[in-house]
Amino acid sequence: DQQVKQNSPSLSVQEGRISILNCDYTNSMFDYFLWYKKYPAEGPTFLISISSIKDKNEDGRFTVFLNKSAKHLSLHIVPSQPGDSAVYFCAPSSNTGKLIFGQGTTLQVKP
Amino acid sequence: DAGVTQSPTHLIKTRGQQVTLRCSPKSGHDTVSWYQQALGQGPQFIFQYYEEEERQRGNFPDRFSGHQFPNYSSELNVNALLLGDSALYLCASSLTGYGSPLHFGNGTRLTVT
Repeated sequence: DQQVKQNSPSLSVQEGRISILNCDYTNSMFDYFLWYKKYPAEGPTFLISISSIKDKNEDGRFTVFLNKSAKHLSLHIVPSQPGDSAVYFCAPSSNTGKLIFGQGTTLQVKP
Repeated sequence: DAGVTQSPTHLIKTRGQQVTLRCSPKSGHDTVSWYQQALGQGPQFIFQYYEEEERQRGNFPDRFSGHQFPNYSSELNVNALLLGDSALYLCASSLTGYGSPLHFGNGTRLTVT
């Protein structure tokens, strides 16, 4: 039972353009949503989060949007930079504090 | 300020053997979680330790066990290794309390032959 789905295994965008990474979830108990970025041979790094009481959170070039009724969230990166090339994981959490990770989306930003 | 450190970085074991992986949390963090990441998948939650006790457990068999020490460091033990246990094992630390982001180490790559 996959509670978190990132349906796009990979995404390729041009430098300077917008990258949009999507995530769908099924568990209505999730109320805190995190995005992590992972480079090869490194552990995941926390990027940005959003609480279920909000529908948008912004941090510099990164914005996360949450649509609770659709159980969907997205991460927007604008402008995209080659250094953003990595695997991005969506990781919702309920009040247990346990993170449930999606399968990840590999983003490639071409110079 | 040292982040989360894990040892060893790589390990090769034979089926049926036992393995112990170690983790030192980020300074100031009191909660340690362990995740298993198979190739091409997202990390899967194994268990979480706080105040030297297992607080939560994921869907992993009893062959997977852990421990947290008074200095908040932690160990993950896996007995009777199977080929399917080959994966990247990630340790993450956080402050106790809901909403505290996890900080991950670089992981231990375990290969079972």
